[in-house]
Amino acid sequence: EIVMTQSPRSLPVTPGEPASISCRSNQSLLHRNGYHYLDWYLQKPGKSPQLLIYLGSNRASGVPDRISGSGSGTDFTLKISRVEAEDVGVYYCMQGLQTVRTFGQGTKMEIK
Amino acid sequence: QVQLVQSGGELKKPGASVKVACETSGYIFNNYGISWVRHAPGQGLEWMGWISGFNGHTNYAQKFQGRLTLTMETSTTTGYMELKSLTSDDTAVYYCAVGRLAYDYWGQGTLVTVSS
Repeated sequence: EIVMTQSPRSLPVTPGEPASISCRSNQSLLHRNGYHYLDWYLQKPGKSPQLLIYLGSNRASGVPDRISGSGSGTDFTLKISRVEAEDVGVYYCMQGLQTVRTFGQGTKMEIK
Repeated sequence: QVQLVQSGGELKKPGASVKVACETSGYIFNNYGISWVRHAPGQGLEWMGWISGFNGHTNYAQKFQGRLTLTMETSTTTGYMELKSLTSDDTAVYYCAVGRLAYDYWGQGTLVTVSS
């Protein structure tokens, strides 16, 4: 099983300021097809999770361009260029390389 | 549009089983598998398993091997998640999810409470 580790676990943010979340895996998420099988999800309070980023850096439909994903191998980052109040919730990375998927522990983003 | 509608909340006693339904619509059922994810109180998301919409092949997380059974009914485009030998640790919101390269679509969640 691939182990996913996120940091920080808690992220107080100021609206208008940037924010960044790190996700590391214990083995490379690079598929032989050249894509990294790493997704980012946001779970807002009381809601189902929603897809933000797939294959490491591709924004899902409707996701604003102030949210971006990057990284390679075992090291990935989710960045929000300017945090808005609607961004609060818990962010999870998930590896899709193996048929048995695994999530990171989550990063709780809240407004200062 | 793609919709996943799950069955209602359940209250179960320890040792019992629960079966949650996920009724899908808006896409060709054979094209996507259905994955199941749970969210226990105070915990993170936990991936449980997946069933192929094409041939019914399943993959389960090691933790749930022997206790979890995923099935599907193509005539009604519905997936099912059955978890046996429930304990209080299984109290959680259970989600079904589908997508081509990632989980684009999620059900609304089903709260399963295990309590004596």
